[in-house]
Amino acid sequence: DQQVKQNSPSLSVQEGRISILNCDYTNSMFDYFLWYKKYPAEGPTFLISISSIKDKNEDGRFTVFLNKSAKHLSLHIVPSQPGDSAVYFCAAQMTTDSWGKFQFGAGTQVVVTP
Amino acid sequence: NAGVTQTPKFQVLKTGQSMTLQCAQDMNHEYMSWYRQDPGMGLRLIHYSVGAGITDQGEVPNGYNVSRSTTEDFPLRLLSAAPSQTSVYFCASSLAGGGARLFGPGTRLTVL
Repeated sequence: DQQVKQNSPSLSVQEGRISILNCDYTNSMFDYFLWYKKYPAEGPTFLISISSIKDKNEDGRFTVFLNKSAKHLSLHIVPSQPGDSAVYFCAAQMTTDSWGKFQFGAGTQVVVTP
Repeated sequence: NAGVTQTPKFQVLKTGQSMTLQCAQDMNHEYMSWYRQDPGMGLRLIHYSVGAGITDQGEVPNGYNVSRSTTEDFPLRLLSAAPSQTSVYFCASSLAGGGARLFGPGTRLTVL
């Protein structure tokens, strides 16, 4: 039962433009959300997170937006750079259950073109 | 700090063989977990641990065993490998309270 879904398997964006990645979840008990970036042959790297008590969190070029009523979060990357080409995973946690457990989406492959 | 380390990087097994994937972290993280990544499936949780001596099952635990005798180490055992266990395995460690969530570089396992 996939409780975290990334419905866009791929995204192509021009360098300098905005990348918007989307993620939907079905379990209303999730209260912490994260985005990871993954290059081939490497482990995922944590990018940014957001608690369910917030609706926005910003870190440099990365901003995550959370819409709890829609059970939807998005990651904005502005401006997109060639080094941003990677697979991006969203993940969700129920911290009341365990900080050690994540549920992941299937990932979105981002390609930044010159 | 070395972060999260995993050995081996690559492994080929025959059906029925056993092996242990090693995972270690040197950051005194309470939480450690094992995930497998398969094409189109994202990462799925196999087993996790909330501290030394405490482990629990994740989403896909069948065919895998774990133990956590120390805070630093969290090995994953395949008792009798099957082709369905061909995957890339990632170990992760975390702190509570929104702290660091780190992944190791992965082990690519092929079961023939």
